[in-house]
Amino acid sequence: ETGVTQTPRHLVMGMTNKKSLKCEQHLGHNAMYWYKQSAKKPLELMFVYSLEERVENNSVPSRFSPECPNSSHLFLHLHTLQPEDSALYLCASSHSPGVSGNTIYFGEGSWLTVV
Amino acid sequence: GDSVTQMEGPVTLSEEAFLTINCTYTATGYPSLFWYVQYPGEGLQLLLKATKADDKGSNKGFEATYRKETTSFHLEKGSVQVSDSAVYFCALSDLGSNYQLIWGAGTKLIIKP
Repeated sequence: ETGVTQTPRHLVMGMTNKKSLKCEQHLGHNAMYWYKQSAKKPLELMFVYSLEERVENNSVPSRFSPECPNSSHLFLHLHTLQPEDSALYLCASSHSPGVSGNTIYFGEGSWLTVV
Repeated sequence: GDSVTQMEGPVTLSEEAFLTINCTYTATGYPSLFWYVQYPGEGLQLLLKATKADDKGSNKGFEATYRKETTSFHLEKGSVQVSDSAVYFCALSDLGSNYQLIWGAGTKLIIKP
């Protein structure tokens, strides 16, 4: 139990579907993150939210749309995805980003397959 | 820019062997250094960290020492177990990365009984 819970753990969706990934953290943190982990590629930071404001958006295609309604919840809305978007999507949380030595805590990830 | 280089895997060892996974970095400032571990089918967990030169991070029998002179943070364990089989990621954060984590590519470790 890491304190960061992601649902669903596995998702299969067609290219025309709309789905969402959900993340909830119980650690009292005020920053939340989405990462993408693909086979044979380094971990990619997608989005960072601090105090519910997006502070980082690493050139992610608009077919990925994040939402952070409060400091405990983070969503990733998915629409018209491509097969190359199939990956493990990891949510994470921390105390405020921009602090030296800040530790990030990860959820167990959502495995996404786009068919 | 900041970067982290890890030894390529997979690394295959027998149970009770000595483990070293090399990690070197380049950074513009004075980074904090981390090792994360990812067990099969799971997310990443912090294994250990060090925030200044000569600090030693340790956890679960693993150790790594922050060596500024060689810009390294090698992970070591004296006697590995089958349950240590996982992917290990080295990472840094510093002012140059706006304190976001810069990740190595990961090293897969396989321990055979």
